[in-house]
Amino acid sequence: DIQMTQSPSSLSASVGDRVTITCRASQGIGNSLAWFQQTPGKAPKPLIYAASSLQSGVPSKFIGSGSGTDFTLTISSLQPEDFATYYCQQYKTYPFTFGPGTKVEIK
Amino acid sequence: EVQLVESGGDLVQPGGSVRLSCAGSGFIFSDHHMDWVRQAPGKGLEWIGRIRHKGRGYTTEYAASVRGRFTVSRDDSQNSVYLQMNSLKTEDTAVYYCSSSAEGNCFDKWGQGTLVAVSS
Repeated sequence: DIQMTQSPSSLSASVGDRVTITCRASQGIGNSLAWFQQTPGKAPKPLIYAASSLQSGVPSKFIGSGSGTDFTLTISSLQPEDFATYYCQQYKTYPFTFGPGTKVEIK
Repeated sequence: EVQLVESGGDLVQPGGSVRLSCAGSGFIFSDHHMDWVRQAPGKGLEWIGRIRHKGRGYTTEYAASVRGRFTVSRDDSQNSVYLQMNSLKTEDTAVYYCSSSAEGNCFDKWGQGTLVAVSS
């Protein structure tokens, strides 16, 4: 199975900050990577697919990049609604696997 | 409105069975692969199974943790996907989400989730 790791596991940031989350795959997955946002008690919300393509309706402040084994999600100008847990997921090979999540908290 | 709605979650005894349903609306359900993802209390997301659309032969894939115990099926005439869960274990306790993927996309729609609790 492909193992997904994320760093950091959590971070504290202020409204207006720019933050970057890193996701690494244990083997190359091309660009078969998605990012999701989840707030407590809610379903995951899809943000990005194919490493850098925005899902419909997702604001352009979410920027995905990378290919192969190393990927990043950047959120420019954090807003209160962006404080959440973010997960990456590879869908190159079965079983699809998620990263452990990065919790973005208010400083 | 595009929607996925899960149902069927319950409190079940270890060794028991439950069947989850997920109904889609507002999109061409038959053109989408359908997945089930679960989240144990306080934990991360775990993909557990997929059923591809008709064009891909309705073939299925499963995570090792559920293979042989869980079965994913679909009925495109009802715009629904199902998860039959047998031989349940306490570690199967989780919120179960269904999700759809169009060709070229991935997990672009999600339901609200349904809770399955396995306990004696």
